[in-house]
Amino acid sequence: DIQMTQSPSSLSASVGDRVTITCRASQDIKKYLAWYQQKPGKAPKSLIYAASSLQSGVPSKFSGSGSGTDFTLTISSLQPEDFATYYCQQYNTYPLTFGGGTNVEIK
Amino acid sequence: EVHLAESGGGLVTPGGSLTLSCAASGFIFNNYAMAWVRQRPGKRLEWVSSIYSTTSSIYYADSVKGRFTISRDNANNSLFLQMNSLRDDDTAIYYCARDLRSSSYYPGWFDPWGQGTLVTVSS
Repeated sequence: DIQMTQSPSSLSASVGDRVTITCRASQDIKKYLAWYQQKPGKAPKSLIYAASSLQSGVPSKFSGSGSGTDFTLTISSLQPEDFATYYCQQYNTYPLTFGGGTNVEIK
Repeated sequence: EVHLAESGGGLVTPGGSLTLSCAASGFIFNNYAMAWVRQRPGKRLEWVSSIYSTTSSIYYADSVKGRFTISRDNANNSLFLQMNSLRDDDTAIYYCARDLRSSSYYPGWFDPWGQGTLVTVSS
């Protein structure tokens, strides 16, 4: 199985900050990587697919990059509604696997 | 509007069975693969199973293989998860999700997700 490792597991940031989250795959997944946002008590919401493509309706402050084994999610200017947990997911092969999540908290 | 709504969760004793349902609306259901993803309390998301429409291909996580059965009813835009031999560690919120890759064989990413249904396995 492909292991997905996110870092950091949590971070504290202020409104307006630029935030970067990293996801590393245990083997080459090309660009088959997605990012999700999950708020407490809510279902996950898709943000990015194919490592860098923005899901329809998602604001452009979210961006993704990377290929192979190393990927990043960047939020250009953190807003109050962005405080949430973010997960990466590989879809290169079954079984599909998710990262452990990054909890973005208010500083 | 694309919408998924799960139902069927509840409290069940270890070794028991439960069937989850997911009603889909707002899109052509039989054009998409569908999946179940779960989240144990305070834990990461965990893919459970996927089912393709045109090929009827089915995949399971090792943790549920042989105990869970995924199925779909394209005529009624519905997805199901039959869960047998339930264990304490199956306690989780179960989400239904649409696979957006538009492939008959290859996995994709998920959007949208339903609101989830809670399954609690406890004596």
